[in-house]
Amino acid sequence: AQSVSQHNHHVILSEAASLELGCNYSYGGTVNLFWYVQYPGQHLQLLLKYFSGDPLVKGIKGFEAEFIKSKFSFNLRKPSVQWSDTAEYFCAVITDSGAGSYQLTFGKGTKLSVIP
Amino acid sequence: DTGVSQDPRHKITKRGQNVTFRCDPISEHNRLYWYRQTLGQGPEFLTYFQNEAQLEKSRLLSDRFSAERPKGSFSTLEIQRTEQGDSAMYLCASSLVFGTRLFVHEETQYFGPGTRLLVL
Repeated sequence: AQSVSQHNHHVILSEAASLELGCNYSYGGTVNLFWYVQYPGQHLQLLLKYFSGDPLVKGIKGFEAEFIKSKFSFNLRKPSVQWSDTAEYFCAVITDSGAGSYQLTFGKGTKLSVIP
Repeated sequence: DTGVSQDPRHKITKRGQNVTFRCDPISEHNRLYWYRQTLGQGPEFLTYFQNEAQLEKSRLLSDRFSAERPKGSFSTLEIQRTEQGDSAMYLCASSLVFGTRLFVHEETQYFGPGTRLLVL
């Protein structure tokens, strides 16, 4: 079964610091990759997605992620975080497993706290 | 706003009672998904529909859970004889896909605000 690992449970940064959140998935076939964000009191929102093409994808609010197929990774980055980036971030993957099972699998999430 | 909506937003019930949640997807979205999220975890897939057909159910979905999407628009998720372990956030998502293949390249799911269930 496919799985998604997010390496950090809670990250605390000062404003203007750079951010990188790790995400690794377990399946080697065709994948759709996503980062979702959940701001306090709000619902899950799509931050960015990768389907094919340029492995460096840009999302909203200055976020970007890089798909490295050889490492089964899809890390999220932002060069300079703001207090308003305080949220929980979820990496998710859906694969063409070919085994008849089809589901979007999420990591456990990384809580980001940005200190003003 | 024409996003995914869910009702109710919060539900408190006593153990053993039945509860039903409703999800209204984005208009014209043909796929609808149900997820469960507990504290400290990411959402876990429960089941999904394409139009009115339920195409997959997770092993997490015990016999006490049933989901319907009778007209291919809104969906309901019912939990019978609730247990304390059912306490969670129940999320609905929808998407628009073309074709009937299970895996659809470039599908994006959009999530609703969730229904938070507390079983006492």
